[in-house]
Amino acid sequence: GAVVSQHPSRVICKSGTSVKIECRSLDFQATTMFWYRQFPKQSLMLMATSNEGSKATYEQGVEKDKFLINHASLTLSTLTVTSAHPEDSSFYICSAPSGPEAAYGYTFGSGTRLTVV
Amino acid sequence: QKEVEQDPGPLSVPEGAIVSLNCTYSNSAFQYFMWYRQYSRKGPELLMYTYSSGNKEDGRFTAQVDKSSKYISLFIRDSQPSDSATYLCASSQTNTGNQFYFGTGTSLTVIP
Repeated sequence: GAVVSQHPSRVICKSGTSVKIECRSLDFQATTMFWYRQFPKQSLMLMATSNEGSKATYEQGVEKDKFLINHASLTLSTLTVTSAHPEDSSFYICSAPSGPEAAYGYTFGSGTRLTVV
Repeated sequence: QKEVEQDPGPLSVPEGAIVSLNCTYSNSAFQYFMWYRQYSRKGPELLMYTYSSGNKEDGRFTAQVDKSSKYISLFIRDSQPSDSATYLCASSQTNTGNQFYFGTGTSLTVIP
């Protein structure tokens, strides 16, 4: 199946610093990728849709200035958590299409555990 | 009301048991139904993908969709300790990644 590589898998940072998370679609060139956030024992919540070569589309309630998304190439999307605070501590997961058609579905990355201290 | 409701469990069964995992959804327009398996501190892995109603079988896994009652199920036969994980259901009206609604996940432990 398709492979989506997400890095780092775990990061601890100090409050007020910024953290960048990378998501790479290794098998398929993705014009659209997705970023989710997952709190313990809660659903995956879509944060934003990352669009190659254009601005990301953010879900209601997600601060675009805090969660910067860049999709500069067809295989790489990055999420930067700016001026991180302890409440930003969470599990962040990206996903990308598994193939050129909808029937291929979506593949998730392995996730990034962010802890802000 | 949440779009997709799922009992979080936890569910604990002996090895070899048949496991039944269930979700309900509220939007009658949903047509795509998925089950994901998520191991601790990992991303979700697609297990089953179903379009519209009916059953779909893949090895020890069977997905069932009943659109009349808005009920989706995942059955695991001959459960193994390696099946211990959190299982997430998801539903969508269209098969585009920004329109999936996920359940909270059911934590399953299979005891050897």
